[in-house]
Amino acid sequence: DAMVIQNPRYQVTQFGKPVTLSCSQTLNHNVMYWYQQKSSQAPKLLFHYYDKDFNNEADTPDNFQSRRPNTSFCFLDIRSPGLGDAAMYLCATSISRGGSYEQYFGPGTRLTVT
Amino acid sequence: QQQVKQSPQSLIVQKGGISIINCAYENTAFDYFPWYQQFPGKGPALLIAIRPDVSEKKEGRFTISFNKSAKQFSLHIMDSQPGDSATYFCAPLSGGFKTIFGAGTRLFVKA
Repeated sequence: DAMVIQNPRYQVTQFGKPVTLSCSQTLNHNVMYWYQQKSSQAPKLLFHYYDKDFNNEADTPDNFQSRRPNTSFCFLDIRSPGLGDAAMYLCATSISRGGSYEQYFGPGTRLTVT
Repeated sequence: QQQVKQSPQSLIVQKGGISIINCAYENTAFDYFPWYQQFPGKGPALLIAIRPDVSEKKEGRFTISFNKSAKQFSLHIMDSQPGDSATYFCAPLSGGFKTIFGAGTRLFVKA
């Protein structure tokens, strides 16, 4: 089945220790997103890629970076995690053709910062 | 994210009843109005969506009503079932990509 896959599902990192979360998709969608969802809150868009073009939200901290080496993969890098960065990180995809704006979400990676 | 206000924050409905969740928005550039359903430990999944050129869309037990002049849209779940217990988010979108999620509504359907 075509899907959005996130690895790992759970990640524990130490305060200030860089961490990378990964997302892959078999949907062949050209748009990929990263959201941060804190406990009992709504997902918050961090950035998205339209093809290779990176689009950062204005309020996304510089501590968060992203890479998209190819259509299928996208990475979220947190350079120096703080306790406030503990959250669920959701990857999503969509396709910009055909007028469909539906976003397909992965299961998320739960990040714990100790 | 004051652009989108979702209510109520939580909702308890008896099995077979109607669940109604509302979303008010400010940004007139929004051009796609979806509702997402999220179960614990899972990512959100699209439930139903509407474009601003129609006022209502029905898919099975789920209906979106859209009021462009009032800048509001709502989700109605008919014949609510325990399996509908989840968190629901409105997430209007502009320009194809920029999504603002509402704060979410926790729905609990009592058997």
